[in-house]
Amino acid sequence: QKEVEQDPGPLSVPEGAIVSLNCTYSNSAFQYFMWYRQYSRKGPELLMYTYSSGNKEDGRFTAQVDKSSKYISLFIRDSQPSDSATYLCAMSAAGQNFVFGPGTRLSVLP
Amino acid sequence: DSGVTQTPKHLITATGQRVTLRCSPRSGDLSVYWYQQSLDQGLQFLIQYYNGEERAKGNILERFSAQQFPDLHSELNLSSLELGDSALYFCASSSQSNSGNTIYFGEGSWLTVV
Repeated sequence: QKEVEQDPGPLSVPEGAIVSLNCTYSNSAFQYFMWYRQYSRKGPELLMYTYSSGNKEDGRFTAQVDKSSKYISLFIRDSQPSDSATYLCAMSAAGQNFVFGPGTRLSVLP
Repeated sequence: DSGVTQTPKHLITATGQRVTLRCSPRSGDLSVYWYQQSLDQGLQFLIQYYNGEERAKGNILERFSAQQFPDLHSELNLSSLELGDSALYFCASSSQSNSGNTIYFGEGSWLTVV
């Protein structure tokens, strides 16, 4: 079992849809959870950072962490064609290195 | 702009050659990480330095080496290059050595080996 699992997609949605992206993990020590957006051939850009469990909202983006289920989610409301990218989840624990999911490729169709 | 600077952005070189990729971390960040991303592949962790010392090693080939200098910039040296080394190489930085914070990426160096 991989330490972090993420559906690679591709995921295609119409413009304006709500997008749900998810990752599961196996290491219960993870405390820090991140979502990155990566456009083709560009560096990953930090979207959301969450410590421990709970929700965090930033504009059209909401990150959720459920440590009891070892499950994190990123929701994108009112999706736009400019949201088309690969979304990477990442997580870490104190004293441990960052672990990245393989990424989900999202296409938002106009 | 993440604040992490990488040079060069693109380079093309021949098999067997050696190249050096350079990274300047965000101001104040002591940790530098190097990742490799081949076409349509995930991020592969290569190596981490913290304040000049190697802190963690991933799947880095013996032909590759890295170092972090006193001014905290880092270099990744790739030698005896093979076609399969063609990839995007990302540098990232964070402010804590124990990864208890988040990590910021540069725009990458796109290496093509011909």
